Amino acid sequence: DADVTQTPRNRITKTGKRIMLECSQTKGHDRMYWYRQDPGLGLRLIYYSFDVKDINKGEISDGYSVSRQAQAKFSLSLESAIPNQTALYFCATSAFRGTDTQYFGPGTRLTVL
Amino acid sequence: SQQGEEDPQALSIQEGENATMNCSYKTSINNLQWYRQNSGRGLVHLILIRSNEREKHSGRLRVTLDTSKKSSSLLITASRAADTASYFCATDAGGATNKLIFGTGTLLAVQP
Repeated sequence: DADVTQTPRNRITKTGKRIMLECSQTKGHDRMYWYRQDPGLGLRLIYYSFDVKDINKGEISDGYSVSRQAQAKFSLSLESAIPNQTALYFCATSAFRGTDTQYFGPGTRLTVL
Repeated sequence: SQQGEEDPQALSIQEGENATMNCSYKTSINNLQWYRQNSGRGLVHLILIRSNEREKHSGRLRVTLDTSKKSSSLLITASRAADTASYFCATDAGGATNKLIFGTGTLLAVQP
């Protein structure tokens, strides 16, 4: 079984709709991250969380919100989706201490029409 | 703005040849990491090099780091068609945040 899972894998929605992307991990890591990937721009950090009570904004948090329901779950919401939020979204985890490596989920491809 | 910039943006080689990708960054770092991404999939960690290291090897991968020039290179030797992917460098400025700043990536195509 995959260590970091994301649901859904693909989603097409309309402008103005509320969308939630979910991430679960079985690695036992404290830290979780949400990234967005656009062609030619690499990955950009949206939000990150060090534990259930610690949520931090990343580089591009406007238009997004997150919820850390448990150590293993970190959800990303688009309250009112707009077309320029069409992108590939990745969740990642890392250990509080250790190798500093991040482990990525398979991604969610979101299209906002 | 992006911390890491990769060069070249795209690289096409024949199987068996070596592939070299370069990464430049702007500020001091604690470590630099290289990740691989197959088309449309999640990133996979390849190798990490710390700021006090100059070279590191892992299988067919060789990474160098020059902190005075704020640059790193990834060499893949004896490339295979299965190495076709995008490769990203990511810098970690250290401290408590463990935030990575990713470059824009190099798209490597290995022709069989």
